[in-house]
Amino acid sequence: DQQVKQNSPSLSVQEGRISILNCDYTNSMFDYFLWYKKYPAEGPTFLISISSIKDKNEDGRFTVFLNKSAKHLSLHIVPSQPGDSAVYFCAASLHSGAGSYQLTFGKGTKLSVIP
Amino acid sequence: GAVVSQHPSWVICKSGTSVKIECRSLDFQATTMFWYRQFPKQSLMLMATSNEGSKATYEQGVEKDKFLINHASLTLSTLTVTSAHPEDSSFYICSARVPHSNTGELFFGEGSRLTVL
Repeated sequence: DQQVKQNSPSLSVQEGRISILNCDYTNSMFDYFLWYKKYPAEGPTFLISISSIKDKNEDGRFTVFLNKSAKHLSLHIVPSQPGDSAVYFCAASLHSGAGSYQLTFGKGTKLSVIP
Repeated sequence: GAVVSQHPSWVICKSGTSVKIECRSLDFQATTMFWYRQFPKQSLMLMATSNEGSKATYEQGVEKDKFLINHASLTLSTLTVTSAHPEDSSFYICSARVPHSNTGELFFGEGSRLTVL
């Protein structure tokens, strides 16, 4: 059973427009949510996170929104740039005590920003 | 900032041989490292948790005799794919927890692409 779902495998957006990547989860115990960006043949790099007690976190062009009641989060990128083209993974973190965390990843959404 | 480095980035081997992948934390100590595997168009699947000075913890369905993990120091974990077969061809990525993070954030290595002929 997939606890973190990214239902859109791909997304194409025109340069300068807004990119919205969605993520749904099932476990209400997750306490942090993170977005990672991954280029081909490279490891993921951390982008932005949000605590489960917040509903919005903004960092430059990137904003993550969390709707706990809907168990849904989204990553907004505005304006989108060609360099943003990558696979974006949504991850959920569960604190399992004594400083131990478990990250669960979605399958990723491939974003293509068209110049 | 903290960096996790993997080596080699690419490796091609013959079926039946063993391949070792190294994962190093470059400017911090990592008592725990994580090994992930990614198939094309799939998510990152956690294979095992590598614990310094003790045995690794493997996820369900991952053969511990097939994927040997050694974490002999606070900055190095190794994954050895023993008697590799074509179905082991994949992208292997290691990671380590960001020091003092309360979010569970991970630093990832660059990944190692294994192709077994």
